[in-house]
Amino acid sequence: GAGVSQTPSNKVTEKGKYVELRCDPISGHTALYWYRQSLGQGPEFLIYFQGTGAADDSGLPNDRFFAVRPEGSVSTLKIQRTERGDSAVYLCASSLGVLNTDTQYFGPGTRLTVL
Amino acid sequence: QKEVEQDPGPLSVPEGAIVSLNCTYSNSAFQYFMWYRQYSRKGPELLMYTYSSGNKEDGRFTAQVDKSSKYISLFIRDSQPSDSATYLCAMVEGLSNNDMRFGAGTRLTVKP
Repeated sequence: GAGVSQTPSNKVTEKGKYVELRCDPISGHTALYWYRQSLGQGPEFLIYFQGTGAADDSGLPNDRFFAVRPEGSVSTLKIQRTERGDSAVYLCASSLGVLNTDTQYFGPGTRLTVL
Repeated sequence: QKEVEQDPGPLSVPEGAIVSLNCTYSNSAFQYFMWYRQYSRKGPELLMYTYSSGNKEDGRFTAQVDKSSKYISLFIRDSQPSDSATYLCAMVEGLSNNDMRFGAGTRLTVKP
């Protein structure tokens, strides 16, 4: 079956602009996660959803970052007033549930470059 | 000090070699340990997971956990060029998988 998909695969924007990154999880997966991976680093947790609600957004770096999952499936990560330091690969993952035995399946990521 | 430390490499070995990849951690509450493989321009994919101290084997891969030393390892036997990737260790504290902490990843190249 189809895996996690993310669009766009690459996004180049200018400092101060607004961007939206989309994630389509595996069908039937109730949990959805966003991570940020900087060059040479492991993924860093941003936020996760259980269904439609954000169950934990403690990883969002500041109030310029916001994510939604209005129908419990597709999620959008929104970044306002982008800064050069926001440049990274943004990864989305989904899992059937939230137990530590529930494997997280990752998408290929969106590579964001802020000029 | 980071919660999870991993030597970023790069590590280059000849085909057929045994590879040892390692992570140390400082949080003794971690109890569930995973290894992910990440090919270039792709998302991480789960290779192995383990709960307890000891060894777990899956084909050419063996995961080892030593909780007393806060040290985990992944061994790859008979390494292949297709094993060339970045290997990430990850760990969580409790029963939920929502707070996974990753190491920085070790970049491995297996030369034919």
